[in-house]
Amino acid sequence: SQTIHQWPATLVQPVGSPLSLECTVEGTSNPNLYWYRQAAGRGLQLLFYSVGIGQISSEVPQNLSASRPQDRQFILSSKKLLLSDSGFYLCAWGGQLGAEAFFGQGTRLTVV
Amino acid sequence: GENVEQHPSTLSVQEGDSAVIKCTYSDSASNYFPWYKQELGKGPQLIIDIRSNVGEKKDQRIAVTLNKTAKHFSLHITETQPEDSAVYFCAAQTGGFKTIFGAGTRLFVKA
Repeated sequence: SQTIHQWPATLVQPVGSPLSLECTVEGTSNPNLYWYRQAAGRGLQLLFYSVGIGQISSEVPQNLSASRPQDRQFILSSKKLLLSDSGFYLCAWGGQLGAEAFFGQGTRLTVV
Repeated sequence: GENVEQHPSTLSVQEGDSAVIKCTYSDSASNYFPWYKQELGKGPQLIIDIRSNVGEKKDQRIAVTLNKTAKHFSLHITETQPEDSAVYFCAAQTGGFKTIFGAGTRLFVKA
């Protein structure tokens, strides 16, 4: 069966520090991969999606970037965090057209 | 761009009553409409979905309806229980890659 791993679960980082969040998927090949951000009490904002290795689409201009070095690995990064980057970050994978998205457990990032 | 609006943002019901959450979408090409339930500190999980060629779908106490002409879709939960308390998200998918989510509805079921 397919599983998705996302870490760390919680992260507190100072303003200006770098960020690296990692997500891996098991039990499927060539998944569509997604990064979402959820601000406190808000909905899910799509940040990036990827349909294959090295293929990244950005949905909103921001201080973040994403990379997909391997088929089932998706990384969210920042060179210098801002206070506004705080939030709950969710990685998800989806299969074929019209299929549901499966979410990881999320990373709660607090920038101080 | 694509947009999904969801109402209400908060809903409080008595145990055993029904709860209805409504969403509208902007992209007429949307063809897949999932609903997710998110419990505190966890990622959302799919509870029911509907495709554009179907008007209604039911799974035990949960049902979803779709009106493609009006670009509306709704979630209905009957006989609510305290464990139904969570945040519910509607979503619309276009083109197979992007799923756009509503802002969420926080449902409280009072025992």
